[in-house]
This record gives sequence, C-alpha cells and structure tokens, in this order.
Amino acid sequence: EAQVTQNPRYLITVTGKKLTVTCSQNMNHEYMSWYRQDPGLGLRQIYYSMNVEVTDKGDVPEGYKVSRKEKRNFPLILESPSPNQTSLYFCASSLAGTGRGNTGELFFGEGSRLTVL
Amino acid sequence: GNSVTQMEGPVTLSEEAFLTINCTYTATGYPSLFWYVQYPGEGLQLLLKATKADDKGSNKGFEATYRKETTSFHLEKGSVQVSDSAVYFCALKAGVEKLTFGTGTRLTIIP
Repeated sequence: EAQVTQNPRYLITVTGKKLTVTCSQNMNHEYMSWYRQDPGLGLRQIYYSMNVEVTDKGDVPEGYKVSRKEKRNFPLILESPSPNQTSLYFCASSLAGTGRGNTGELFFGEGSRLTVL
Repeated sequence: GNSVTQMEGPVTLSEEAFLTINCTYTATGYPSLFWYVQYPGEGLQLLLKATKADDKGSNKGFEATYRKETTSFHLEKGSVQVSDSAVYFCALKAGVEKLTFGTGTRLTIIP
C-alpha cells in the first residue's frame, strides 16, 4: 500500500530536549516536505527536499533541521524545542517535475502532534 | 508571492443542503489549483484538482471550476452528507512542487 508514515504520532516533551520526527514514503517520490498546521494559519511549509541530499527552507524553517540521506526518508529534527513549536506536523511527498504520471498530488502522512512544555 | 484566501469557518449545514466554500488566489503565471480534505484524525488527501483555466475538477459529488478571470476555485456540492464533515483546504501550485494552502474551512453536517 502506498503511504507516508510518520513517527511518533503523539509526543509530549520539554523545552530544550532534542527530538526527531521520522518520515518515510514507499512511493519512490523525489519530492518530500514538512508542514506544520496551526489553528487559523492553515498549513505552513517548514522545509522541503527535491531529491537526495537536496534540501531547502520553506516559509517557517527557524528552529528546525532536516536531512535527506535516502530517497525514502526525510526526518524533521528539533534541536532545542520551544513551546511555540507545539503544533501538528505533516510530512508529505510527491513525484517531482512534469513528467508522465505526475498528477501534482501531494501525499500526506497522518500527522504528528507535538506538545512542548 | 503566491497566496490563497478561503472563506472562514466553521460552516454548519443540514444534510442534503447545498455547499459552497469560496476560494480565491493570487499567483504569478498559471498555477494548478487543488482542494484537499482532512477527515478527523487523518492527514490531508486530494479531493480534486484543475490545471488550467476553465477546467472543472470533480470527485465524490464535489466540483470546482478554475476561473482565471476572477482568480477563483470555489468548491461546491449539491447535497451534502454527514460523512462530508471535515476540514477543506484550497491550495495552489505554481512552478515548483510547493503547495501554498489556504487556512482551511471546517465543515460540519448535521443530520
């Protein structure tokens, strides 16, 4: 089954304790991205990756890091979490470019709800 | 820059009512337009899309028409069901892979 898998789904942590949210996709997609969802703000992009070893900042990258060492994985790292990073996080993936078979659809994971105390 | 504005919710309707959720956009070039739906406790999933002016996207009884002259992509359904209760996001993609999302509209259908 084609899917994007995120872990953990729920996490409560404390300020300053480093954490990683993992994301894995099994669709051989080149493009992967992290979004955060906050009430009244919709989804805002944190970081994205066009392919292995190619990452770039989105609209709200401060306080986050990412890496793309393998095509299927795109972990989100919070080196020193703060309460303003309490949010619902989504990983997403898609084919890149305009090649045949690319419908432009972005496939989302089920979300990771993070609370930083 | 690119932006999407959609009607604020929440929207509450009775079953079988007609639904419209407004969406307008600002973008350079010729964006593709999307509606995504988020059911409770789940991630977003594509509902429908349109890639050029006057295209109509449709799925599960929902429709939206790409109107370049009014820069709009309003979502409509003729008769909503309780199972349509969800949050709906309008989005655009212009050029690169990134989607720009609206703030979402929460829809609740009461029996």
